[in-house]
Amino acid sequence: AQKITQTQPGMFVQEKEAVTLDCTYDTSDPSYGLFWYKQPSSGEMIFLIYQGSYDQQNATEGRYSLNFQKARKSANLVISASQLGDSAMYFCAMRENSGGGADGLTFGKGTHLIIQP
Amino acid sequence: GAVVSQHPSWVICKSGTSVKIECRSLDFQATTMFWYRQFPKQSLMLMATSNEGSKATYEQGVEKDKFLINHASLTLSTLTVTSAHPEDSSFYICSARDQEGQGDFLGYGYTFGSGTRLTVV
Repeated sequence: AQKITQTQPGMFVQEKEAVTLDCTYDTSDPSYGLFWYKQPSSGEMIFLIYQGSYDQQNATEGRYSLNFQKARKSANLVISASQLGDSAMYFCAMRENSGGGADGLTFGKGTHLIIQP
Repeated sequence: GAVVSQHPSWVICKSGTSVKIECRSLDFQATTMFWYRQFPKQSLMLMATSNEGSKATYEQGVEKDKFLINHASLTLSTLTVTSAHPEDSSFYICSARDQEGQGDFLGYGYTFGSGTRLTVV
C-alpha cells in the first residue's frame, strides 16, 4: 500500500485564487512528520511547510498552510492567493519514527499545479 | 540557511562508463545524507542512506554494486553509478539533514541539493 497518496495528478487554478492540494498518508507510527515540497522545472526541491504528528495547531508559513486532520490521516496543503510563480510540481512527504532517527522521506507521486493568468 | 551543493548538475556519459556525483553540505555537518532517484514526471524514490564513516544503507531493490556510496567526511557524500546503462538515465538528488530543528527531531530540516540529470547514451 502506498504510504503517501496524492490523488490530483494535475490542477489548473486561476491566479489569485486559493488552491488546496490533497495528501493522505498511511502509517502505524504514533510519531511522524509531514512535509510539503515544491519542485519547479529546474528540479530543485524547495521546502514549504512541516507538520509534526503531535502538533496541536495546523502549520502555517506565509501563504502556505497545512490542513492537518489526524484522524483522517490527511495533510492537505493550502496556498492562498495563488501566483503565477506557484506553477510547479508539489510533493507531500512523510518521515516516520521507526527508523531510529535516520530515515529518509517517503514521497507521494506529486501534483502538477498550473496557475493561469 | 543550510545549503547543499550537488555537482555536476548534468552529465552525459557513454554506456559502460562510471559517473561520480558529489553532494556537499556547505555550512553544516551532515552525518547522514540521502540519495534519491527521480524518473521523468515521477516521484522521488529513496535509494540509500549515506552514513559518515560507515557503510550506506540501501533500499530494497537498489543494487549496491551499481550505486556505490561513499561518505568519507561530515560534509561530503558521493554516489558513483558504475557501468552505467541507458536505463540508469535519471535525475539524482541528494539531501542532508541539518540539525536546525523545528521543534522535534522529526522536523529537522532536509535540505536538498539541486540535483544531477544523468543521461547515458
